[in-house]
Amino acid sequence: ILNVEQSPQSLHVQEGDSTNFTCSFPSSNFYALHWYRWETAKSPEALFVMTLNGDEKKKGRISATLNTKEGYSYLYIKGSQPEDSATYLCAFILTGTYKYIFGTGTRLKVLA
Amino acid sequence: NAGVTQTPKFQVLKTGQSMTLQCAQDMNHEYMSWYRQDPGMGLRLIHYSVGAGITDQGEVPNGYNVSRSTTEDFPLRLLSAAPSQTSVYFCASSLATGTSYGYTFGSGTRLTVV
Repeated sequence: ILNVEQSPQSLHVQEGDSTNFTCSFPSSNFYALHWYRWETAKSPEALFVMTLNGDEKKKGRISATLNTKEGYSYLYIKGSQPEDSATYLCAFILTGTYKYIFGTGTRLKVLA
Repeated sequence: NAGVTQTPKFQVLKTGQSMTLQCAQDMNHEYMSWYRQDPGMGLRLIHYSVGAGITDQGEVPNGYNVSRSTTEDFPLRLLSAAPSQTSVYFCASSLATGTSYGYTFGSGTRLTVV
């Protein structure tokens, strides 16, 4: 059974703070890692697709890095805004399979 | 372009009843999958399909059947509903697996089994 872990489970930050959270996954047989943003009462939306060790992706104030050798990815949010409040999910794909395995997510609340 | 459409949005079933959750996408995506979301458990993969006529089991397939007769549709069948199947179900699709494309999710079906 693949284990994809995200930490912390939840996080409260003040508006303007920068924050980051972690996705840990099995380092062997890595194929790809996805990050998703999931707002309450909506469906998850894809943020980043990452495939190569050392990948860095950026979208506005949100960025992500990937270390496949040690099995982790970081998601960073710079200058958090209340509209960033959501659950952030990562999904790991094992090479040779078509299965996306999701972590349990990090729930972020940005306080105005 | 409607994306991924799930029906119904809400459903209440009695234990032992059967039903089909519908999922359709109009983006010509090859890859489709079903997840269930339970508190504290995240999204767990039930079944997935890499193209018409091809399906496979995910992490929690027991009690569910799928088929993929067309590229557009991927229904999920509950054979004999149990209270443990009370959950929110999401269908998702992707143009291809893994490297370049993220999932597009449907809006979910909230199922209660009494």
